[in-house]
Amino acid sequence: NAGVTQTPKFQVLKTGQSMTLQCAQDMNHEYMSWYRQDPGMGLRLIHYSVGAGITDQGEVPNGYNVSRSTTEDFPLRLLSAAPSQTSVYFCASSYSNTVSTDTQYFGPGTRLTVL
Amino acid sequence: AQKVTQAQTEISVVEKEDVTLDCVYETRDTTYYLFWYKQPPSGELVFLIRRNSFDEQNEISGRYSWNFQKSTSSFNFTITASQVVDSAVYFCALSEAGTYKYIFGTGTRLKVLA
Repeated sequence: NAGVTQTPKFQVLKTGQSMTLQCAQDMNHEYMSWYRQDPGMGLRLIHYSVGAGITDQGEVPNGYNVSRSTTEDFPLRLLSAAPSQTSVYFCASSYSNTVSTDTQYFGPGTRLTVL
Repeated sequence: AQKVTQAQTEISVVEKEDVTLDCVYETRDTTYYLFWYKQPPSGELVFLIRRNSFDEQNEISGRYSWNFQKSTSSFNFTITASQVVDSAVYFCALSEAGTYKYIFGTGTRLKVLA
């Protein structure tokens, strides 16, 4: 198993540009989520999905869109990048979508800089 | 409201010293889960432990041990005989049953000096 994979590893955008951060897992996990990590603030939940076709907002969803067309993939889209979205983004997944506190396993992260 | 506080921003110890990382949480729920993750300099997040609110037994895994005390809402992590490879940022997290959400603390950066 490759686990949770994220691409790209690094990305630099200009303000106003759009892009998609990719996340995939090969563990047949139902639950997937996106977090952003900012200095001194820990990790904050952006969006999550409890299965294909089902997504919901987390703590800081503004400026981001998600979709879940397959169990394996959970892309995060930035519609119009802003400097405030400069951060490290982590995707995570867990097996169960009924036991909400199942252990989440994290991808390696994407470091995004918006100029 | 849910909250996780890791008051120690950064700790430096000399190799072979014992070190305890503090985690204090707030929740109104009676069923919840607590986690510790390690983030080494390479940046990935590594799962260390998961504990549910009904299991107050302390746990030991090699040089790592965890002390869960509901009376003080704490879930502290101790590394015995620290090593340079333990240098990392350690995060404590809380999840209430049914919320699909982890609340992370701000992390404690541990530096183990040779």
